[in-house]
Amino acid sequence: EAGVAQSPRYKIIEKRQSVAFWCNPISGHATLYWYQQILGQGPKLLIQFQNNGVVDDSQLPKDRFSAERLKGVDSTLKIQPAKLEDSAVYLCASSLDVWSYEQYFGPGTRLTVT
Amino acid sequence: TQLLEQSPQFLSIQEGENLTVYCNSSSVFSSLQWYRQEPGEGPVLLVTVVTGGEVKKLKRLTFQFGDARKDSSLHITAAQPGDTGLYLCAGSSGGYQKVTFGTGTKLQVIP
Repeated sequence: EAGVAQSPRYKIIEKRQSVAFWCNPISGHATLYWYQQILGQGPKLLIQFQNNGVVDDSQLPKDRFSAERLKGVDSTLKIQPAKLEDSAVYLCASSLDVWSYEQYFGPGTRLTVT
Repeated sequence: TQLLEQSPQFLSIQEGENLTVYCNSSSVFSSLQWYRQEPGEGPVLLVTVVTGGEVKKLKRLTFQFGDARKDSSLHITAAQPGDTGLYLCAGSSGGYQKVTFGTGTKLQVIP
């Protein structure tokens, strides 16, 4: 069974530029999560989707971050414009459904904003 | 806001030693997961505990969920270099299993 795929793995941009990350969850998983992880800390949930609907985006900085999951499978997370403090690893995870305890993570995208 | 505090934050030990990592909260969780994350990778699920007082063993790792379901511990016996990584607890609660991750414990096992 293929795992969660993410791309790109690394991205370096200058502040005020825009960037987009892509995630393909495990086949059949209805729930998809985007997390932000500062080096050495625990992941912070940015947004949670159930199919193509948003379940929780309470911690998403909506003035600069956006995410979509149009067909209920792949998802993209966009930052525009980026700030220095956005430098982090962006993790995508999926689970069978919103009632599932376990999440399966992709390798993450390491973003550096200079 | 639910918070999960892990202690210690960093731990560096010699191969063969035992260690315990703690995960504490003032909130009650319906379940608690432990993950291990290696550099450049996403977290990998180790175990889920759902019942207060539950103890689960995974080879040299022992996980315990507190009776009140507010805290958990991870005990590693005879640590090996392969145990090196960032250990994360994560608590689930609410109708749609909202997940809160802990602050993390970075473990280094020196050969």
